Amino acid sequence: GDSVTQTEGQVTVSESKSLIINCTYSATSIGYPNLFWYVRYPGEGLQLLLKVITAGQKGSSRGFEATYNKEATSFHLQKASVQESDSAVYYCALKNYGSSGNKLIFGIGTLLSVKP
Amino acid sequence: GPKVLQIPSHQIIDMGQMVTLNCDPVSNHLYFYWYKQILGQQMEFLVNFYNGKVMEKSKLFKDQFSVERPDGSYFTLKIQPTALEDSAVYFCASSFGTGKDTQYFGPGTRLLVL
Repeated sequence: GDSVTQTEGQVTVSESKSLIINCTYSATSIGYPNLFWYVRYPGEGLQLLLKVITAGQKGSSRGFEATYNKEATSFHLQKASVQESDSAVYYCALKNYGSSGNKLIFGIGTLLSVKP
Repeated sequence: GPKVLQIPSHQIIDMGQMVTLNCDPVSNHLYFYWYKQILGQQMEFLVNFYNGKVMEKSKLFKDQFSVERPDGSYFTLKIQPTALEDSAVYFCASSFGTGKDTQYFGPGTRLLVL
C-alpha cells in the first residue's frame, strides 16, 4: 500500500540556520499522488502548510519550500532561515486517489525545536 | 483559516463504557473524516462520511465504531463498547470536496480508556 517515511524524532536547529526535513513516499497505482506538509503548533490543530499536486512543481509557504520529485519519490521540506516561532511538529502526507481514495496517509511527524 | 472544533479535548473512561466524540466541522464542508493517532505512531485514517453515509473506512474502524451527523449538527464518532486499545488522540477533519480539496483538521480529542 501507499506509505510515507519522514525524518523521525526531533530536529533541533539554531535560529536563523537552515532546515531540511526529509520525506519520501511510496505510492501504488498509475498517476501521481498529491503531496502535503501539515504543521501542528503547540496547543493547536493540524494546519496545512503547503501542498503540491503536480510532479516537478514546488510549493512554498511562510518561507518553507518543498519540491515534488517523482524520480526520487521525495518531498523534502526546507527553510533557509528558521525562527523560534517555527517550533512545531511537521507531518508529510500523501493522498493517492487512484489507490487509497480520499484519505490522507501521514508520516510519523518530526518535532522541530528552534533554539534562540 | 477555516476552523474545525472538537469537544471534549480530553476524555477518560472505563473500559466497556460508551464514548462519543464530537466534531464541529467547517460550515460549508460536505466531507467529514476521523483519524486516530496512538502515542508515538502515525496518524491513521479511520473513516470518511458524506451525504449521511460512510464512504470509506479502514481496518481500524471496528464494528464497535459508528459515525453520524444528525441534522447537520456535530459529526460524531461513537465507540461502544470501548477497549484499552482505543486509547489515542482522535482527529476530526472536513473538506468541501474530494480530490485536490484541502482537509482541515481539529485539535484532537485525547481519549484514555482505563
